[in-house]
Amino acid sequence: GNSVTQMEGPVTLSEEAFLTINCTYTATGYPSLFWYVQYPGEGLQLLLKATKADDKGSNKGFEATYRKETTSFHLEKGSVQVSDSAVYFCALSAPNTGNQFYFGTGTSLTVIP
Amino acid sequence: DTAVSQTPKYLVTQMGNDKSIKCEQNLGHDTMYWYKQDSKKFLKIMFSYNNKELIINETVPNRFSPKSPDKAHLNLHINSLELGDSAVYFCASSAWLAGQSSYNEQFFGPGTRLTVL
Repeated sequence: GNSVTQMEGPVTLSEEAFLTINCTYTATGYPSLFWYVQYPGEGLQLLLKATKADDKGSNKGFEATYRKETTSFHLEKGSVQVSDSAVYFCALSAPNTGNQFYFGTGTSLTVIP
Repeated sequence: DTAVSQTPKYLVTQMGNDKSIKCEQNLGHDTMYWYKQDSKKFLKIMFSYNNKELIINETVPNRFSPKSPDKAHLNLHINSLELGDSAVYFCASSAWLAGQSSYNEQFFGPGTRLTVL
């Protein structure tokens, strides 16, 4: 079946620290992979995506590389800011599943000054 | 200018009442979804409609009934509200990517926080 396993939170970092949030997936076929971010009191926003193996998605200093060999899509940022405090969701969209998205459980990130 | 909108943003009601949440998207998408997010931020898909046709209907109590009058709208009606229905409900939409067998990203509304007393 299709599923996403995401690093448990919460994660607390100091400003300018390096961030990694791990995400691994199980899927039939070749899925598209996404990272969404949810700021407090808001809906989910797409942060970045990758649609095929070895693609790198990037946005706002965040990056994630679609690794088929390790079935992973880890989120990284070199230097986090207080404004990055949010909940991050890894997700996949698999072919022939009736357009269903599979979300991870979310990882809460708090960045302290 | 809003892509996916939901009304109301907050809904406080008594147990046993019936309530509706409305969702509209102006992105021209053909697929819409309802999700429930619990207090631990876990997202659960409830329903999905493609061109007004029900595609996904997860294990959700019969008290929840989606209605899609047209491609741009997907409303959620809830009968006999229970305490456990308290959550944030998100509407989302997406488009079919021509030439691919999976969908593009989903666009989310701002959410409706439902509190059942």
